[in-house]
Amino acid sequence: GQQVMQIPQYQHVQEGEDFTTYCNSSTTLSNIQWYKQRPGGHPVFLIQLVKSGEVKKQKRLTFQFGEAKKNSSLHITATQTTDVGTYFCASQVAGNNRKLIWGLGTSLAVNP
Amino acid sequence: NAGVTQTPKFQVLKTGQSMTLQCAQDMNHEYMSWYRQDPGMGLRLIHYSVGAGITDQGEVPNGYNVSRSTTEDFPLRLLSAAPSQTSVYFCASSLQGADYGYTFGSGTRLTVV
Repeated sequence: GQQVMQIPQYQHVQEGEDFTTYCNSSTTLSNIQWYKQRPGGHPVFLIQLVKSGEVKKQKRLTFQFGEAKKNSSLHITATQTTDVGTYFCASQVAGNNRKLIWGLGTSLAVNP
Repeated sequence: NAGVTQTPKFQVLKTGQSMTLQCAQDMNHEYMSWYRQDPGMGLRLIHYSVGAGITDQGEVPNGYNVSRSTTEDFPLRLLSAAPSQTSVYFCASSLQGADYGYTFGSGTRLTVV
C-alpha cells in the first residue's frame, strides 16, 4: 500500500546549523503536508504543497515538493532552540481525500 | 474559538475497564479523526468521520468504537481496556476538501495497568 518514508529518524545539531528532513514515496503523491510537534505537545499544521516542483517559505523554513511528486523536503536555516521537536510529513491516501498517510517523523534536537 | 478540545488530559485505567475519550471542535469542521501515538510508531489512525452520522475504520480500529451524532463531537470509546492500549490519543479535525490541514487537540495520555 501507499507509504511515506521519512529520513533521518533523528538529527542533533548545534544552534545556528542548518537542518533538512526528507519525505519519500514510491508512488506519486497528490499532496504533502508538514507538521511540527513540540516535546509533550500535539502536531501543528505548518504547510501543504500540491504542485510539482512547488517551493514555499515560512521565515527560516523552506518546503519543497519534488518534480515527480514522490518526495518532499523541509529545510531549516540557522536552527534555533525553538525549532526543537518532531517534524512529520503526511500525504492524502489515493482515492480518499481526507485520510492521511504519515511518515514516522524526524526528531530534531538543537544544542544551544 | 477553542479549536479542538480533548478530555481528559490524563487517565489511568485498570485492565478490562471501559471509558470514553471526549473530543469536541467548534470550527464547524466536517472531518474528525482519532489517532494514537506510540514511540517509534508515529501517528496511527483509529477511526474517522466525514460528517455527522458517518464513521469509518482506520488502520488500528480493534478495541475502539466511535459515533458522530453531531458535527461538533466525536467521542472514542474503549470497550475493555488492555495494556496494549496505553498510548497518547489525539483527536484531529479539518474542513472537507484537499486544501486544509488538520487541527489537533492537546491529547489524552492513557495508561492501562
